[in-house]
Amino acid sequence: EAGVTQSPTHLIKTRGQQATLRCSPISGHTSVYWYQQALGLGLQFLLWYDEGEERNRGNFPPRFSGRQFPNYSSELNVNALELEDSALYLCASSPGTQYFGPGTRLTVL
Amino acid sequence: AQSVAQPEDQVNVAEGNPLTVKCTYSVSGNPYLFWYVQYPNRGLQFLLKYITGDNLVKGSYGFEAEFNKSQTSFHLKKPSALVSDSALYFCAVRDPRGGSQGNLIFGKGTKLSVKP
Repeated sequence: EAGVTQSPTHLIKTRGQQATLRCSPISGHTSVYWYQQALGLGLQFLLWYDEGEERNRGNFPPRFSGRQFPNYSSELNVNALELEDSALYLCASSPGTQYFGPGTRLTVL
Repeated sequence: AQSVAQPEDQVNVAEGNPLTVKCTYSVSGNPYLFWYVQYPNRGLQFLLKYITGDNLVKGSYGFEAEFNKSQTSFHLKKPSALVSDSALYFCAVRDPRGGSQGNLIFGKGTKLSVKP
């Protein structure tokens, strides 16, 4: 059974640009979660989608947004990139136990 | 507010010795607790979870964790450490506001170093 997949593996952007990260959940999982792992800040919850709806949102500004598609895959969009957005972005899918993808390393120059 | 604390930034053990990685939590209601491991430049791998039932939970790779409600702790243990266990370990609790599907709230992580 395929695990959670994320693309791209690495993404380099400059300040002010927009970034789009993608996640495909494990087959049959309807919930998708996004987390940010920034150096020194640990793992912070960003967004939770289930059945196409946003269910919860972490303490992040509105320039962090996303959506979930009918096939349960998801996109995370980060607008007006700032240097401190540089981090590993992890996606997980569920029900029950959350299983994580390998992450997308976003670097903002 | 819900929270998880991992009081040790780093734990050092010798190969073959028992290891313990500590975790305490604060959550309203019954806690759903998890341990994950992260190897360098990788995502998180699920180790084990406590939902209900026996206080001693067994997981992957010989790891186990003991749930202690009175001490609000969920320490990760392994009887005999391997060098390959060296990694970053995260304790997490499910946000009760999301019910059985809620997002996770993570501790800061503990770096485990196992020396030969």
